[in-house]
Amino acid sequence: QVQLQESGPGLVKPSQTLSLACTVSGRPISSGGHYWSWIRQHPGKGLEWIGFIYYSGSTYYNPSLKSRTTISVDTSKNQFSLKLSSVTAADTAVYFCARTLYYYDTSAYFDHWGQGTLVTVSS
Amino acid sequence: SYVLTQPPSVSVAPGKTARMTCGGNNIGSKTVHWYQQKPGQAPILVMYNGADRPSGIPERFSGSNSGNTATLTISRVEAGDEADYYCQVWASSSVLFGGGTKLTVL
Repeated sequence: QVQLQESGPGLVKPSQTLSLACTVSGRPISSGGHYWSWIRQHPGKGLEWIGFIYYSGSTYYNPSLKSRTTISVDTSKNQFSLKLSSVTAADTAVYFCARTLYYYDTSAYFDHWGQGTLVTVSS
Repeated sequence: SYVLTQPPSVSVAPGKTARMTCGGNNIGSKTVHWYQQKPGQAPILVMYNGADRPSGIPERFSGSNSGNTATLTISRVEAGDEADYYCQVWASSSVLFGGGTKLTVL
C-alpha cells in the first residue's frame, strides 16, 4: 500500500521560500506509471492544485502559481519536493502531496494522499 | 478559463439518495473525478473516470456525466457519508477543482 508523508516547516516568514518534502513508501517513485502532485487547501476553503512531477523530472504547474513554484524529485530518497517562493499570507494553507494518474492533456486524478501539513506564513 | 460549479450544500435523510452536481461548460466531454473529505482529513478518491469506483468504495456510490452536469449519487445514505465532496477535471492544461459541496445527513 502506497503511503505519502509531508514534512517541512510549519511557519514561514513573508517573502521567504516555502519548502516541503513528501516521502513515499510502499512503491519506488522510479518505477514509473504515476506522477506526484502537490495540492493545497486554504483554511476553510476548497482544493487548489499546485503541480506535479514524473520521476524523470518532467513537470506540470498550475499556471496561476507557475512563476513561484518548483517541484523536484529525489529518487534515491523516494521523495519529491515543493518550493514556493516569495510567499505571503495568502499562501497559508494545508499542503497535501498525492500520487497522480495523468493521461496526457486529457485527465489527471489523485488516488493516494498524504495527511497534509499546515504551513502558516507570518512574521 | 474553465469553471466548475458545485452547490455549497446538500441535505438528505439517512437511507435516502443524495445527488451532488458539478456544472461546467460541456463537462460531458471531460473526464470527471470525485473526492470525499471529512473534517481534518485528507481527501479520498471516491469516483474516477466519471463512473469508476476505487476499491473499498461502496457500491452505493455512483457517478454520471452528460451535457453540462456531472453527478455523484450516493444511495442509502449513512451518517458516515457526511463530508465535503469535490469534483475535479483536467482543463486548460491544468487540474481544476469545484468549490465543493457539504453533504449533511439529517
